Amino acid sequence: DAEITQSPRHKITETGRQVTLACHQTWNHNNMFWYRQDLGHGLRLIHYSYGVQDTNKGEVSDGYSVSRSNTEDLPLTLESAASSQTSVYFCASSELAGTSTDTQYFGPGTRLTVL
Amino acid sequence: AQSVTQLDSQVPVFEEAPVELRCNYSSSVSVYLFWYVQYPNQGLQLLLKYLSGSTLVKGINGFEAEFNKSQTSFHLRKPSVHISDTAEYFCAVTSGYSTLTFGKGTMLLVSP
Repeated sequence: DAEITQSPRHKITETGRQVTLACHQTWNHNNMFWYRQDLGHGLRLIHYSYGVQDTNKGEVSDGYSVSRSNTEDLPLTLESAASSQTSVYFCASSELAGTSTDTQYFGPGTRLTVL
Repeated sequence: AQSVTQLDSQVPVFEEAPVELRCNYSSSVSVYLFWYVQYPNQGLQLLLKYLSGSTLVKGINGFEAEFNKSQTSFHLRKPSVHISDTAEYFCAVTSGYSTLTFGKGTMLLVSP
């Protein structure tokens, strides 16, 4: 069955380190998204991509970067981790290129702790 | 700009009772509305969505929502809840050209 996976599921890192969170989908979806979930804030969009070589900033993109070299993967990099980036991170994908009206399918999440 | 307000952070309810989770939105253009559910330690999954047509939308697990343009609302309802409905529920809005904006979520707590 097609799916969307995230790795690692849990990670503890130190302030200042570079961290990369992986997201892989097997639906061949055009669109991929990264969100962070914090208590009291719901889900906030970090970065998104509407296709290979396309990346866009979301609401809370400072300190994060993404690259899209193929359809299946959208890794999220924290250039220099900060305690404020402690959060649960969700990756999502949707099929119809360039639109937000399509259903998004979410991965299981990565819990990141920055000490 | 668009925004979503979920007025209740938590809604406690007894099993088999009806429930309504409230969602209000603001947008200067036409909107498309969604409800997603997040069960404990899982990602979100779609419950239902309104894109056009009938303002009463039926979703999975017996949930339904009604789009009310005049009141800018999209409240989620279920006539009889089960313990297994305990989860966090997120309302979301998009204009179609913008990305999806989520509300802060409502935790539905169903007790026996």
